[in-house]
Amino acid sequence: GENVEQHPSTLSVQEGDSAVIKCTYSDSASNYFPWYKQELGKRPQLIIDIRSNVGEKKDQRIAVTLNKTAKHFSLHITETQPEDSAVYFCAASINQGAQKLVFGQGTRLTINP
Amino acid sequence: SAVISQKPSRDICQRGTSLTIQCQVDSQVTMMFWYRQQPGQSLTLIATANQGSEATYESGFVIDKFPISRPNLTFSTLTVSNMSPEDSSIYLCSVAGRSISNGYTFGSGTRLTVV
Repeated sequence: GENVEQHPSTLSVQEGDSAVIKCTYSDSASNYFPWYKQELGKRPQLIIDIRSNVGEKKDQRIAVTLNKTAKHFSLHITETQPEDSAVYFCAASINQGAQKLVFGQGTRLTINP
Repeated sequence: SAVISQKPSRDICQRGTSLTIQCQVDSQVTMMFWYRQQPGQSLTLIATANQGSEATYESGFVIDKFPISRPNLTFSTLTVSNMSPEDSSIYLCSVAGRSISNGYTFGSGTRLTVV
């Protein structure tokens, strides 16, 4: 089945710097790759996603890149702010009847003022 | 995107008892998903609930332990049965948009502590 590996598990950056989180997946049939942000005690919130027919997608300070050949995708956050501090999860779709998501292990991002 | 109401938000239960978690969606959805998130961990899919058929369980999860109901297209329940301290976790329901590429929306979660 699908396996999603996410790195790093923790990331600390200075405010204003960029942060990059990387994920790899195993199932070449996966075609949808969302990223979720989860603040302490809250539900995961979708922040950006990308489909397999696109190599890059950007939304203000957040961008996601996808390399289907290498089966990896990355989240890029530029000009980081303290409110970006949270746990970030990547996910990949699996297509077994119902389309489901398999999540990576999560990255705890801390923005230092 | 859909709005999900999940309850209870938290509960403390005695071992050996059962707890039923409810999720109500503000629109009709074909599939609802139930996840478990253990403290400091990622989200693990328990099962997929389709209206009118039995839920489909992931490896490591069984119906006797986590029975699911899906009586209509806007509602589902997950029961955690015969609880032990190892069941202490956050349980979340989720729905997809019209297609999965519309994204998942999560309920607010149920924080369960078994003592």
